[in-house]
Order: sequence, then structure tokens, then C-alpha cells
Amino acid sequence: KNEVEQSPQNLTAQEGEFITINCSYSVGISALHWLQQHPGGGIVSLFMLSSGKKKHGRLIATINIQEKHSSLHITASHPRDSAVYICALTIQGAQKLVFGQGTRLTINP
Amino acid sequence: ETGVTQTPRHLVMGMTNKKSLKCEQHLGHNAMYWYKQSAKKPLELMFVYNFKEQTENNSVPSRFSPECPNSSHLFLHLHTLQPEDSALYLCASSQGYSSGNTIYFGEGSWLTVV
Repeated sequence: KNEVEQSPQNLTAQEGEFITINCSYSVGISALHWLQQHPGGGIVSLFMLSSGKKKHGRLIATINIQEKHSSLHITASHPRDSAVYICALTIQGAQKLVFGQGTRLTINP
Repeated sequence: ETGVTQTPRHLVMGMTNKKSLKCEQHLGHNAMYWYKQSAKKPLELMFVYNFKEQTENNSVPSRFSPECPNSSHLFLHLHTLQPEDSALYLCASSQGYSSGNTIYFGEGSWLTVV
């Protein structure tokens, strides 16, 4: 079993819809990261969380440490949000990131 | 623009060629990383350099040879690669090799081995 699982793997929605991407994990972590990868390949770090909730513009990330679950929400989605969203873990006691498979999001106009 | 620049963005090389990927970061970070992303697979860590010293080699074949001449530059030297090495190679950096630091990625170098 993978240490980190994302769902869904693919998501297509219409512009304006509220988007939720989920990340579940099975190990103790010191931090959870949400990353955005555009078609060109470059990756941008969106959030780093160890508890609670963070908000940046239309993006909201939450984490429930007890349930080992995090969600990334996008409000008022836009075609430019189309990308692969990757959940990554910093495992307790380790210093390297473990990456999920990613969720491919497509927002149609 | 993340402050991490990779060149070339695209590279096609034969199995007998020798080429290098270059990464430069303008963020004053001390840790630099090479990751490999193959089709439909998660990112895989290849190498970590912290203060120019290699601290992690994730069982990478010797046909991949990293070099870190200073904290701002990281190279990945490639020789006698195989077609299955075709992938996106991503460089990243962070302020120290620590779980609490945000990691910044470059745009990646798309490598095709023919």
C-alpha cells in the first residue's frame, strides 16, 4: 500500500465549480505539502501544513492529523487552475518528501 | 518564476552520448535536489546535496552522476543512458535539508533517450 493516496486521479469540472481534492496517508508526518504542476512540467509549492487550515486566494488547504487526511479546495475554479495537484508528505523522523500520484484537474470554460 | 532555473528544458540524446543537465538557484538556499518523474509515476528523489555535500543517493544507477560545485549550482551528468531513463528531471532547492522548509522546484528538463 502506498504511504500517500490521492483521490480522485482525474477530475473534470466546469468553470466556477467548487473543487475538492483529497489526500490520505498512513504514516506519521511532520508536514504535508500541496504542489501544483503545470503541463510544462514546473512545480509550484502551494501550501505546507502541519495542522489546521491555510488559505491563499481561492485555494484552501485543510489537514486532520488524527484522521490522517488532507483536502485541497479551489473556489470559483477557472481554466487556468487546470494542472496536476500533488500531495507530498514529510515523514516523521525522515527528511525526504514522499509524493502522491497526483490529481489531474481540468476546468472547462 | 520560482528562483530555480533548469537548462536545457528539452534534451534528446542517444544511448552512447554524454550530456549534462544544469540547475541554478537564486534563492540563497543550502539544499538542492534532483528528482525524476516518469510517466504516470510519482516523483522519485534521486540525490540531495546539503551545503555542497551529497547527503542522499537513492540507489540511483551510476550512469547518473551529480555534481554540486557550490550551493547555487547543481549538475546531473548523463552517460550511456537507456530508453527507460526518458523522463522529466526536476531540480529543487530549500533553505536547509529539513522537513520544515518549503521546497522550490525548477521547470524541469524533459529528457528523451533514443
